[in-house]
Amino acid sequence: VQLVESGGDWVLAGGSVRLSCAASGLPVRANDMSWVRQAPGKGLECVAIIYSDGGTDYADSVKGRFIISRHISQNTVYLQMNSLTIEDTANYSCVVGRTGGYWGQGVQVAVSS
Amino acid sequence: VVLTQSPLSLPVTLGQPASISCACSHSLLHSDGNTYLSWFQQRPGQSPRRLIYMVSNRDPGVPDRFSGSGSDTDFTLKISRVEAEDVGLYYCMQGTQRLTFGGGTKVEIK
Repeated sequence: VQLVESGGDWVLAGGSVRLSCAASGLPVRANDMSWVRQAPGKGLECVAIIYSDGGTDYADSVKGRFIISRHISQNTVYLQMNSLTIEDTANYSCVVGRTGGYWGQGVQVAVSS
Repeated sequence: VVLTQSPLSLPVTLGQPASISCACSHSLLHSDGNTYLSWFQQRPGQSPRRLIYMVSNRDPGVPDRFSGSGSDTDFTLKISRVEAEDVGLYYCMQGTQRLTFGGGTKVEIK
């Protein structure tokens, strides 16, 4: 299993970024897929999850601003991040399943004012 | 679901046991009969590494000095004899409702 994230960037507050997580070795359509972030020196926070049935859920901190989606034929999960604030600065990782068995290496999103 | 880990910091003597608790605001028993509680170790600059899944199942390659136990809302990670390589941050994570993480416990050598 391999998860490769891309799309991390430096962006001004109020801007948008789209993250991608390309999976190999497992089908995203059959797994719950999450985006977990870790701000510098802070703990771990799951910001969004897309369940195998296509349902989604979000942390209150990003609800209404972030959208998680998937492209089944490309076996890729996305995180569209809008109206970014400085508090969204973090390393974002793609994580598989309800037990967190597989993690990507993560991408950096840096938001400045 | 809120996960409360204790202690925040755990100084341990090499060769001595260590124990980390994870208290959950809601039962972690899923409607499918599973309890989705995992434990992770994170070393500086690295992604979290899963040690234990579904309460007590050790991942391949994880030393048997690591063990997990608990049920419903209270869970524990135990290290039977701490070694120098065990230094790092430890997190519990629940996957019963979305994913949430405990605040972390820093294990260090006295």
